[in-house]
Amino acid sequence: EVQLVESGGGLVQPGRSLRLSCTASGFSFDDYAMHWVRQVSGKGLEWVSGISWNSGSIGYADSVKGRFTISRDNAKNSLYLQMNSLRAEDTALYYCVKDICGGDCAAFDIWGQGTMVTVSS
Amino acid sequence: QSALTQPPSASGSPGQSVTISCTGTSSDVGGYSYVSWYQQHPGKAPKLMIYEVTKRPSGVPDRFSGSKSGNTASLTVSGLQAEDEADYYCSSYAGINNVFGTGTKVTVL
Repeated sequence: EVQLVESGGGLVQPGRSLRLSCTASGFSFDDYAMHWVRQVSGKGLEWVSGISWNSGSIGYADSVKGRFTISRDNAKNSLYLQMNSLRAEDTALYYCVKDICGGDCAAFDIWGQGTMVTVSS
Repeated sequence: QSALTQPPSASGSPGQSVTISCTGTSSDVGGYSYVSWYQQHPGKAPKLMIYEVTKRPSGVPDRFSGSKSGNTASLTVSGLQAEDEADYYCSSYAGINNVFGTGTKVTVL
């Protein structure tokens, strides 16, 4: 079964850090680009960051650039998001998402169940 | 990196068609053939319905179709069914980055 499982979310104070992880199974992880997409409760989707199959191409939304770092470990079938200097507006459900191709085709065919990040004092 | 513009809502009776627009710029929708559409039911993760403007993933009914003209992409749902009631989002490649639309709530009357 093709599956993405996120972990690492939780309650964190403003200014602190958090690291999200995503473990993939059921497909050849190192063949595909991967992304993080977030959604504030009751609101729309926001693309956060993406990484190509070989980590050669990385992109960030302007809202997180300089604070978040995406990475992947193909040997461990894992995707990560290091989130620093967290702000209240980063509070959201964070989805790990698989692209349909190795580069960035902006087509997300597999989604995890999401991990909740709450930034509050 | 502004969100793509979608109408907040759209509706139709069972069996009718509804079309949702997604307006961007020449830096995203108009500049690439990488526009996709997602369906999201309450409490669920989004589901890919259309990719690369017009292509349907395996398992998506052919009632769903996509198109693009200039900076505006569209999703048409023909033969509306009760289960099509959901939120719909477009997305586009924007050169290194990606951007989602504001979302449209489709109601089946």
